[in-house]
Amino acid sequence: DIVMTQSPDSLAVSLGERATINCKSSQSILYNSNNKNYLAWYQQKPGQPPKLLISWGSTRKSGVPDRFSGSGSGTNFTLTISSLQAEDVAVYHCQQYYNNPKTFGQGTKVEIK
Amino acid sequence: QITLKESGPTLVKPTQTLTLTCTFSGFSLSTSGVGVGWIRQPPGKALEWLALIYWDDDKRYSPSLESRLTITKDTSKNQVVLTMTNMDPVDTATYYCAHREVSFDYWGQGTLVTVSS
Repeated sequence: DIVMTQSPDSLAVSLGERATINCKSSQSILYNSNNKNYLAWYQQKPGQPPKLLISWGSTRKSGVPDRFSGSGSGTNFTLTISSLQAEDVAVYHCQQYYNNPKTFGQGTKVEIK
Repeated sequence: QITLKESGPTLVKPTQTLTLTCTFSGFSLSTSGVGVGWIRQPPGKALEWLALIYWDDDKRYSPSLESRLTITKDTSKNQVVLTMTNMDPVDTATYYCAHREVSFDYWGQGTLVTVSS
């Protein structure tokens, strides 16, 4: 199984400041034939299901605010919220869909400082 | 508009078999590339991928749970069913079904299943 490890487990950021979440895979999830990273980011607010934010490591789903961005390649990935808003308080999960089982990270809780 | 909804028992006893149904609309599970997966989340814990069924009836399971899981689809009813045998209190979780085209882009609201005698 590919192990996904997120850091930190939680972080507190002031409104309007940048939040950065890291996700590391135990093996590369870059598929060489199409040069795509098989990495998704989800946002989960309390009492709600996860919501897809980003696929392919950096492609925002339609309707997702552009303050959310994904970067990285191979085994190291980052989700950045450029200017934290109150509605961004949530747990963020990364997931690899390179192979089965399609494993998730342990989640990172983002709060307001 | 794609929607999914999970249904099934909220309480099961240890050793019993859990059967969950995902009823969906807005897509067809006979469309090439489409899949429906099941993911669970114990209270306060991480998401765990369980199983996935594809449009061509290919089925994939979490290796750690494969012996206990069965996933099937009924394309005519727009349903996917997950069964999990020999339930244990550690299986207490919210169980989600989700539409898969690349990643899981649409999720049901989830159903909380408690395993207790």
